[in-house]
Order: sequence, then structure tokens, then C-alpha cells
Amino acid sequence: GENVEQHPSTLSVQEGDSAVIKCTYSDSASNYFPWYKQELGKRPQLIIDIRSNVGEKKDQRIAVTLNKTAKHFSLHITETQPEDSAVYFCAATSLNTGNQFYFGTGTSLTVIP
Amino acid sequence: GAVVSQHPSRVICKSGTSVKIECRSLDFQATTMFWYRQFPKQSLMLMATSNEGSKATYEQGVEKDKFLINHASLTLSTLTVTSAHPEDSSFYICSARAQGTDTQYFGPGTRLTVL
Repeated sequence: GENVEQHPSTLSVQEGDSAVIKCTYSDSASNYFPWYKQELGKRPQLIIDIRSNVGEKKDQRIAVTLNKTAKHFSLHITETQPEDSAVYFCAATSLNTGNQFYFGTGTSLTVIP
Repeated sequence: GAVVSQHPSRVICKSGTSVKIECRSLDFQATTMFWYRQFPKQSLMLMATSNEGSKATYEQGVEKDKFLINHASLTLSTLTVTSAHPEDSSFYICSARAQGTDTQYFGPGTRLTVL
């Protein structure tokens, strides 16, 4: 089955700096990679996603890159703000797995004002 | 769009009782719903996948007789924790996926505390 690894587990950055979170996956058939943001006690919210036929996607301060050959994808947040502080989860999925998500272990991001 | 509700948001019950949690897709038809369990500071652990009109598929190690899942319509799935015990205390989150799409939209979660 799919195995998703996520690093780092915790990340602290100064406000205005960039944050990068990296994930690797094992199943070459995986073709959809969403990123979720979860604030304490709340639901995971989809913030950006990328499909395997695209190498990069950007939405304002957030971008995701995908390297299919190396089986890794990364979340980039630029000009971080205190409200970006949360836990971020990556996930991978494919039709082979019935579209179930395999989540990374999460990254707790703290943006220091 | 793509709103998922979950009820109740919080429940406290005595050991041995059963608790039912509802997950509804409010503005789309969810052919598939997923139930997750999340412990503090940990990732989401998939418990089962629920397809409308068919039996749920449970992940390894999840007792199907303890965690009863019903997906009776395209907008509603229920999870019943039977004979709950303190070790069942956790944050339970559902998600829903529309047919032909990949994205899962999550409910707000249910905090279950078993005394």
C-alpha cells in the first residue's frame, strides 16, 4: 500500500519568512496530492492540491510542487503570517486505493510575530 | 459549496452506552464517505470507507461490530460506537467525496469522551 512520510514534524518561522513542508510517497500510481490545514480542535481544510500531470501549482502565498520521478511533493508558504500557524497534513491517493487518502504525520507550523 | 456537517460536536457518555454520530453533506451528493479517528497531536487514522447503499469497508484493526457504519443515502452516513469504553474517547471526523472527484471535504469532528 501507499506510505506517506512528512517532514519536519514541527517548524517555527518568523513572520514574513517562508515555510516549506516536504512529503514523500511510495506508490507510483498515486495521482492526487492534497494539502490540508487543521487548526486546534477544528476540521482539516483543503488549502491546495495538485495532480500528477502538473509539476507546480500556486495560489497567492501558497504553492505546491510535485516531482513524480522522485515521488515527493512540497508545500511552500511565502510571507508567513501568524494566522498561518496550524498543523498541515499532506496526503496521497489513487484509484488503485479506492481514492482513500493516505495522510502524512503532520507538521505543526508556528509563525512567530 | 462542499459543506459537510457532523453532529453532535461533543458528547460525553458513560461506559457501556452506545453513541451515534451523523455526517451529512449539505450541498452535494457524497457517493463515498470516510470515517477517521484522530488522537491528540496525531494524524488522521482512517477507520472505514462507506459507499452509499453498500457495506462499509473497514481498515485492518478496526472492529466492524464495535464501530457500526450506515450510509443510507447520498447525503448521510452514521457511525455508531457500540458499548463505548474510555479507550474509545477520541476525536472522530468524517469526510465526504462526490462521485467523479478526488477531493474529500471534512466535517467539523465529534469529540467523544467516555467516562
